[in-house]
Order: sequence, then C-alpha cells, then structure tokens
Amino acid sequence: AQSVTQLGSHVSVSEGALVLLRCNYSSSVPPYLFWYVQYPNQGLQLLLKYTTGATLVKGINGFEAEFKKSETSFHLTKPSAHMSDAAEYFCAVTMDTGRRALTFGSGTRLQVQP
Amino acid sequence: EAQVTQNPRYLITVTGKKLTVTCSQNMNHEYMSWYRQDPGLGLRQIYYSMNVEVTDKGDVPEGYKVSRKEKRNFPLILESPSPNQTSLYFCASSVRDRVNSPLHFGNGTRLTVT
Repeated sequence: AQSVTQLGSHVSVSEGALVLLRCNYSSSVPPYLFWYVQYPNQGLQLLLKYTTGATLVKGINGFEAEFKKSETSFHLTKPSAHMSDAAEYFCAVTMDTGRRALTFGSGTRLQVQP
Repeated sequence: EAQVTQNPRYLITVTGKKLTVTCSQNMNHEYMSWYRQDPGLGLRQIYYSMNVEVTDKGDVPEGYKVSRKEKRNFPLILESPSPNQTSLYFCASSVRDRVNSPLHFGNGTRLTVT
C-alpha cells in the first residue's frame, strides 16, 4: 500500500523567505510523486512531478522538489516566497497503473506574510 | 480551452433526495475519476473510469454511483444522500496509458446535505 505524510497542516513564511513544505511517502515499489497546488475556490493544478531520472525536479512558479529515496521524501521548496504563493499544497503518490489512483497527503496551507 | 467542467459549483440538499453532479471534459481523455476532499484527509478517490462503459470503485465508493456512457461525461450520482456525504467533490481526467500524466481537475462542487 502507498501512503503520504505531509508534516505541518499550516506553514507561514514572510514574503521573500524560503518556502519548505515537507512530504514523506511509503511505497513498496518506486513511486511516481506529484505536488499539486489548490488556490481558493479552484481545483488542483499540477506543480511538478517525479517519474524517473533526475531527482531534482523543477516545476512552475519557481518551485522545485527533490526525490530522496533513502529518506523516502519529496519536499517542495521555493527560494523566495511571493504573496501569490498563498494556497494549499498537496503531495501525492501513485504506483497503481491499473486504477491510476493518486494517494494524497492531507495538505499544507501556506500563508505568506507581507 | 482544455478543461474539466463540473456543475453545480454549490449544492445544498436534504437527506434522501437524489442528486447528480455532472462532469464533462473536452480533452478526449480516456480516464476520469471522482474524488472527495475533507479537512485533514486530503482527497480520496470515490470511483474511476478507464474508458466508456468501464467503471470501478475507488477507496470510498459507498453511497455513490457513476456512469460512463460517453467519453466526455462522468456524472456522480447520490441516490440517497446523507449528512456524512457533505464534502467538496472534484472530478478529474487524464490520458489513460501514461500513469505519470497529470490529472486535470474541475473547480469542485461543494455539497451540503442537511
């Protein structure tokens, strides 16, 4: 079975500060990993994904994540937070090629203070 | 514009009154899925469909039905809604044959059952 743990349901940073959102997964086989972002009153949008190959993945809006197999982690970072980054972020994992089920973490709400 | 369209965005109903939430995508995607989002639980899969006339249960299917008579449409049916089905619902679609292809989400339907 696959599972995802996101540490911290709420994270608050100052504008211009580093953003670090944590995600750990459990998986019996190599996983496919995703970060999605949800802005208020909207659906989820893909930020970035890890499938195979390079472990440092760059996504949209300046975000990136690094797959660390030894730590079973896929933390999301951004060097400098912007007010427009305020949203809820979800880490997700899938291995099941059959039903394509993404297992989502419980989400982390990012607040950016001016 | 490529999109997943859900209707309605907001729905308030009473226990036992049958309702349908519609979902339509214009990307010719084979795969479609329904998720519910609850605070602290992330998103959980209700049902999914790999193609027309092919549907199967996700993690939390009790109390829900779906149908896939056409490729573009995947309605979610609650025959006898109960208060524990009060939630935010998302429809999503993707290309079937690539497990790492991103899900495209609708903007959500907020359902309240009293």
